[in-house]
Amino acid sequence: DIQMTQSPSTLSASVGDRVTITCRASQSISSRLAWYQQKPGKAPKVLIYKASSLESGVPLRFSGSGSGTEFTLTISSLQPDDSATYYCQQYKSYRTFGQGTKVEIK
Amino acid sequence: QVQLVQSGAEVKKPGASVKVSCKASGYTFTTYDINWVRQATGQGLEWMGWMNPISGDAGYAQKFQGRVTITWDTSISTAYMEMSSLRSEDTGMYYCARWEETGDLKYWGQGTLVTVSS
Repeated sequence: DIQMTQSPSTLSASVGDRVTITCRASQSISSRLAWYQQKPGKAPKVLIYKASSLESGVPLRFSGSGSGTEFTLTISSLQPDDSATYYCQQYKSYRTFGQGTKVEIK
Repeated sequence: QVQLVQSGAEVKKPGASVKVSCKASGYTFTTYDINWVRQATGQGLEWMGWMNPISGDAGYAQKFQGRVTITWDTSISTAYMEMSSLRSEDTGMYYCARWEETGDLKYWGQGTLVTVSS
């Protein structure tokens, strides 16, 4: 199985800050990566697919980049509603999720 | 609109089996794969397996191979996930989700809480 490693595990930032989450794959997955946001008690919501394509309806402050084994999710200006846990997921070979990054608002 | 509606919460004893259903509506069931994802209590997301209702193919994450079986009934647009030999660590929320052509899981069921306790 392809392993996905996210960093950091948690981060605390202020409203308006630029936030970056990194995801590394154990082998090349091309651009076959998605990012999800999950709030407590809710199902995950897709933000980004194909590494950098923004899902319809997702705010423009979210962006994704990368290919191969290194990927990033960036929130350009953190908002209170962005407090959540974020997961990357590869779909090059079956599916694997990263362990998650919890984003807290200071 | 696309909806995935899962069966209700389950309480099982260790060693028992559980079968969770996922009824699809708002689209042609045979057009999309269904995936199953687990979230143990307080933990992250784990991909469990996948099924293609047209080809009849199903695949499982190595961790769940041999203990999880995914089936479906196209006549009622419903997918099933059955897990055997349950243990306390299997307690958590189980989700079904539709796999899009773009590779992501856009539509999710509401989740089914499975509690394993003696």
